[in-house]
Amino acid sequence: SQQGEEDPQALSIQEGENATMNCSYKTSINNLQWYRQNSGRGLVHLILIRSNEREKHSGRLRVTLDTSKKSSSLLITASRAADTASYFCARGDRGAQKLVFGQGTRLTINP
Amino acid sequence: DTEVTQTPKHLVMGMTNKKSLKCEQHMGHRAMYWYKQKAKKPPELMFVYSYEKLSINESVPSRFSPECPNSSLLNLHLHALQPEDSALYLCASSQGGERFYSPLHFGNGTRLTVT
Repeated sequence: SQQGEEDPQALSIQEGENATMNCSYKTSINNLQWYRQNSGRGLVHLILIRSNEREKHSGRLRVTLDTSKKSSSLLITASRAADTASYFCARGDRGAQKLVFGQGTRLTINP
Repeated sequence: DTEVTQTPKHLVMGMTNKKSLKCEQHMGHRAMYWYKQKAKKPPELMFVYSYEKLSINESVPSRFSPECPNSSLLNLHLHALQPEDSALYLCASSQGGERFYSPLHFGNGTRLTVT
């Protein structure tokens, strides 16, 4: 798929546990971004990782990028009920001048 | 609340109606976008404006007509829509210019229902 793959499509965990979402792609990228979307709302930018970076942190978020495997992961540590949302990766393909969103992971945090 | 404001939040229109969606940002961003999102799907890019000029049209049907009156405003004019056009329409902005891949700032969207 041009949009790339995200897995899992849905993830349900208990509050306090860690959540990991994965994003794979087939193109050459400039950067890869992660977004969160609460139900019925717009997307919120979480973190951007450039193609020459391997790992970035922001609060409870950790993003890794492996360009040799063309994959990225988003780790949310110590999850909270408020983290319940859909999470999308979006890649900036070289030369494309636009972002392409993955299919998304629906994360549910159970109290 | 977001820094990108979209109006209206909800819109119901018949297939013969003409309506417009509006989007406004005051972050000094030079790129503005329209996305369409169906339930449980990712956003699909429709149009990109860069420095108030249309730079990308993703082969969108002519019943959708974008307009960028100035660097802060983006409109989407709707005419003769089909029921399958019902979706959440999202506006976004970014720094733009040479920063093609800068983060997008989204509005909360307009929920459109075509009857």
